[in-house]
Amino acid sequence: GQNIDQPTEMTATEGAIVQINCTYQTSGFNGLFWYQQHAGEAPTFLSYNVLDGLEEKGRFSSFLSRSKGYSYLLLKELQMKDSASYLCAVREDFGNEKLTFGTGTRLTIIP
Amino acid sequence: DGGITQSPKYLFRKEGQNVTLSCEQNLNHDAMYWYRQDPGQGLRLIYYSQIVNDFQKGDIAEGYSVSREKKESFPLTVTSAQKNPTAFYLCASNDLRGGGAFFGQGTRLTVV
Repeated sequence: GQNIDQPTEMTATEGAIVQINCTYQTSGFNGLFWYQQHAGEAPTFLSYNVLDGLEEKGRFSSFLSRSKGYSYLLLKELQMKDSASYLCAVREDFGNEKLTFGTGTRLTIIP
Repeated sequence: DGGITQSPKYLFRKEGQNVTLSCEQNLNHDAMYWYRQDPGQGLRLIYYSQIVNDFQKGDIAEGYSVSREKKESFPLTVTSAQKNPTAFYLCASNDLRGGGAFFGQGTRLTVV
């Protein structure tokens, strides 16, 4: 079966760094995506990993280890606007863009 | 501006009525998807389509129907057979080139 696990909630301080972990067990793997979703809004694409290693995009970085079925999203220099849910999603098949999502991690930034 | 549009943003219906949610995209994307999101849960796939006139069931297709008569449009009908239709519905599209999916603004359906 498919299983994607993320912590339900996290809290971090403005200006600090936070790491959100995602572990997955899926029948196939062809890429892992991170999305940001503010309450009541649509998810927006943050990052994509298909090979092992770190992908950096400004304040956001994402890491993937395929052998461990593990990814993390790293957010630096946290801002209040980073308070949102962060969704981890796995694409299982190449050519079939169907994504399987985790339940999301609700991140709260405190002053 | 290119994008994906869902309408309406809020929708109320009486129990037992069918309702159709609109999704239109002008991104020239081949693939389109419908997801449902409930509080405290992740997005769950209802239906998806990778080409016109073809679509596949997702994980929770029961009580829903779709059509894909045009590349730009992928409407979702929530039928009276759906036992718990109140939810946030998200439509997405993708160009099948390996990038991420783009989401519409969502439709919050409340059945009373």
